Amino acid sequence: DQQVKQNSPSLSVQEGRISILNCDYTNSMFDYFLWYKKYPAEGPTFLISISSIKDKNEDGRFTVFLNKSAKHLSLHIVPSQPGDSAVYFCAASEGGSGNTGKLIFGQGTTLQVKP
Amino acid sequence: KAGVTQTPRYLIKTRGQQVTLSCSPISGHRSVSWYQQTPGQGLQFLFEYFSETQRNKGNFPGRFSGRQFSNSRSEMNVSTLELGDSALYLCASSLGGLRFYNEQFFGPGTRLTVL
Repeated sequence: DQQVKQNSPSLSVQEGRISILNCDYTNSMFDYFLWYKKYPAEGPTFLISISSIKDKNEDGRFTVFLNKSAKHLSLHIVPSQPGDSAVYFCAASEGGSGNTGKLIFGQGTTLQVKP
Repeated sequence: KAGVTQTPRYLIKTRGQQVTLSCSPISGHRSVSWYQQTPGQGLQFLFEYFSETQRNKGNFPGRFSGRQFSNSRSEMNVSTLELGDSALYLCASSLGGLRFYNEQFFGPGTRLTVL
């Protein structure tokens, strides 16, 4: 039972345009969500997070949107750059001091940004 | 501040052997989580340690175990290795405990190959 789903295995975008990566979840107890970027042979790099009390969080070119009623979140990258080409993982946790160490990951979306 | 370090980076073992992987968290981080990444199953949570105690456990057999030392460094052990244990093992650290939500920061991983 996959609690976090990234239904698009890959996405290709032109440099300078917007990249939108999507993630759906099924566990209504999830209240903290994170996005990670991963290059081959490296560990995931933390990008941005959002708690369930918010519906939007921005950090530079990255914005995460959370729609709790739809159990859906998305990561927007504007403008996209070739260096953004990587695998992007969505992750979720139930929050709380006893649960922060356990992240449930989606399967990842490979983003290719073409020059 | 130094990031999360993992040793060794690469390991080759044969079936039936056991292996120990090491992780040093970011200074000041008290929580260490371990994940297994395989092409078929993606990133899966193994367990989390906080203040030398296992606080969360994923759905893995008892052959997978871990521990945390008083300096927050952690080790994971896999006994009686199987071919299916070949994977990238990732360690992540976070502040843990003191905040409701904690970002996890990952190390580069240990690539384990079981022959």
